[in-house]
Amino acid sequence: DAGVIQSPRHEVTEMGQEVTLRCKPISGHNSLFWYRQTMMRGLELLIYFNNNVPIDDSGMPEDRFSAKMPNASFSTLKIQPSEPRDSAVYFCASSLADRDTQYFGPGTRLTVL
Amino acid sequence: GQQLNQSPQSMFIQEGEDVSMNCTSSSIFNTWLWYKQDPGEGPVLLIALYKAGELTSNGRLTAQFGITRKDSFLNISASIPSDVGIYFCAGQPSGTYKYIFGTGTRLKVLA
Repeated sequence: DAGVIQSPRHEVTEMGQEVTLRCKPISGHNSLFWYRQTMMRGLELLIYFNNNVPIDDSGMPEDRFSAKMPNASFSTLKIQPSEPRDSAVYFCASSLADRDTQYFGPGTRLTVL
Repeated sequence: GQQLNQSPQSMFIQEGEDVSMNCTSSSIFNTWLWYKQDPGEGPVLLIALYKAGELTSNGRLTAQFGITRKDSFLNISASIPSDVGIYFCAGQPSGTYKYIFGTGTRLKVLA
């Protein structure tokens, strides 16, 4: 079975540019999570969707970050405008239900110059 | 955000040695998960624990859910070079969907 799919795997962009990260959760999973990983702060939950509806976005750093889940098989995380401090690895994870085990994608390594 | 206390932060061991790492929290958790992350990849689930006192094995890996529900440990027996990576614990507090992640244990195995 295919796991969580993320694209792109690597993204290098210049400050001020818009960045869009994509995620396809495991088929049949109802919950989707976006995380950010940095050396300083570890894994941080940014936003959580249940049945395509954003439930908790309290971890989103600021208004420059937005996330959508238009259907059960696709989600995006957008940063506009991007800043160098946004450089990190962004992971998408999905689970069968919101309290079940989360399965992670391979991540997108974002570098903002 | 909130993080668990995970120790040790890093370990250098000889191939064949056993490894032990643990996570502790001031909060009670309903679930403990252990993940391994290889360089450039996402965390991969190793073991999931759902009951206090539960002891679960996955090959050379053994993990336990502490009786107090505030801690968990992971043991790796007879380490091999491919065990290299970062190991994370994750705990799920009662009544929430969120998992809180440990800071990770970086394991290096010397052949």
